[in-house]
Amino acid sequence: QVHLVQSGAEMKKPGASVKVSCKASGYIFISHYMHWVRQVPGQGLEWMGIINPNGGPTRYAQKFQGRVTMTRDTSTSTVYMELSSLRYEDTAVFYCARGLSAADAFDIWGQGTMVTVSS
Amino acid sequence: SYELTQPPSVSVSPGQTASITCSGDKLGDNYAGWYQQKAGQSPVLVIYQDTKRPSGIPERFSGSNSGNTATLTISGTQTMDEADYYCQAWDSGTVVFGGGTKLTVL
Repeated sequence: QVHLVQSGAEMKKPGASVKVSCKASGYIFISHYMHWVRQVPGQGLEWMGIINPNGGPTRYAQKFQGRVTMTRDTSTSTVYMELSSLRYEDTAVFYCARGLSAADAFDIWGQGTMVTVSS
Repeated sequence: SYELTQPPSVSVSPGQTASITCSGDKLGDNYAGWYQQKAGQSPVLVIYQDTKRPSGIPERFSGSNSGNTATLTISGTQTMDEADYYCQAWDSGTVVFGGGTKLTVL
């Protein structure tokens, strides 16, 4: 069975960085793109970017350019999302989600990771 | 930047048909997907490539996409369908979500 398991909740101070992991299982890791999505409490879904686990360039939403870095470790079937220069308004749940195929919908989602930015 | 517009809320009586729209410039030229998100849970894909249902999604969920509007239709709506629904599409290599629609079944 396909699963995406994310790392646990984090609390960070403004200006710090956070790195969230997403471990995939139940399928061939390099065969599907992975996306990251942010959801501020009470608000909608916001796409952050995409990484190809098989290598190649990542692509980030313009809003997060310069602050987000997505990486992957094929030896552990894990993707990572690091967000830097955290602000209070970055307090949100972050999801990883598997792409069905290139330029397609997201068929499997992680359980979400709550990141709280507070002084 | 590309935008997808959804009504903030839709209400439906149990057993009736609910329709949730998603509007965007020439949306019909791209595939649309739909996600259901219940309170405190991760989103679940209910429709992809405009009309396809993933395994395990009930037949009462259907989709269409033409012109500038994609539509998610839930036939014979059940109380368990009460949730937020988001449309999604690709534009110029990036992903866009609609603002979400709260479906109330009462």
